[in-house]
Amino acid sequence: GAVVSQHPSWVICKSGTSVKIECRSLDFQATTMFWYRQFPKQSLMLMATSNEGSKATYEQGVEKDKFLINHASLTLSTLTVTSAHPEDSSFYICSARARGGARTDTQYFGPGTRLTVL
Amino acid sequence: TQLLEQSPQFLSIQEGENLTVYCNSSSVFSSLQWYRQEPGEGPVLLVTVVTGGEVKKLKRLTFQFGDARKDSSLHITAAQPGDTGLYLCAANSGYALNFGKGTSLLVTP
Repeated sequence: GAVVSQHPSWVICKSGTSVKIECRSLDFQATTMFWYRQFPKQSLMLMATSNEGSKATYEQGVEKDKFLINHASLTLSTLTVTSAHPEDSSFYICSARARGGARTDTQYFGPGTRLTVL
Repeated sequence: TQLLEQSPQFLSIQEGENLTVYCNSSSVFSSLQWYRQEPGEGPVLLVTVVTGGEVKKLKRLTFQFGDARKDSSLHITAAQPGDTGLYLCAANSGYALNFGKGTSLLVTP
């Protein structure tokens, strides 16, 4: 099946630092990638939608200057949490929407990145 | 954004028991998806239901889409400890997915 990877799988950082999380579609091209955040015991909440070569669309309440998203190619999107604070600690999950062929429109999820801000 | 209500929120049962999880909304969906998520991992797609009244089976899991396409259920027969996890229903909101709050299932031996 289609594979989406995330790197790193977990990260611990000090308050005030920035953290970059990568999301890659390994064996397909993704027209669109999505970033979700999941707090303990809760469901996934959409943060933003990114399309290759264009600016990301952020959901209401998500600060675009704090959560920088770059979608440089059809296989890579990055989420940078700038000036991270303890309340940003969460499980960040990306998904990629396949383009072309039998997988078109199917969304595949990455394994998630656990961010802990001290 | 369509609101997806899942029930129950938590469920703890013993191995061998049957259970049903529900996903309800006031909105009509073109399709609805069920995912299972284990701690520390991303959600994994179990099934997509598209047609009203549709029933899909995946081994011991039976998924049903309501006739009006506003609700869905997941029934597990003879639950096993390996079924433990968070079960999420989701529906498309544009190209993104809107998730229900999930049902956390614990199956003890």
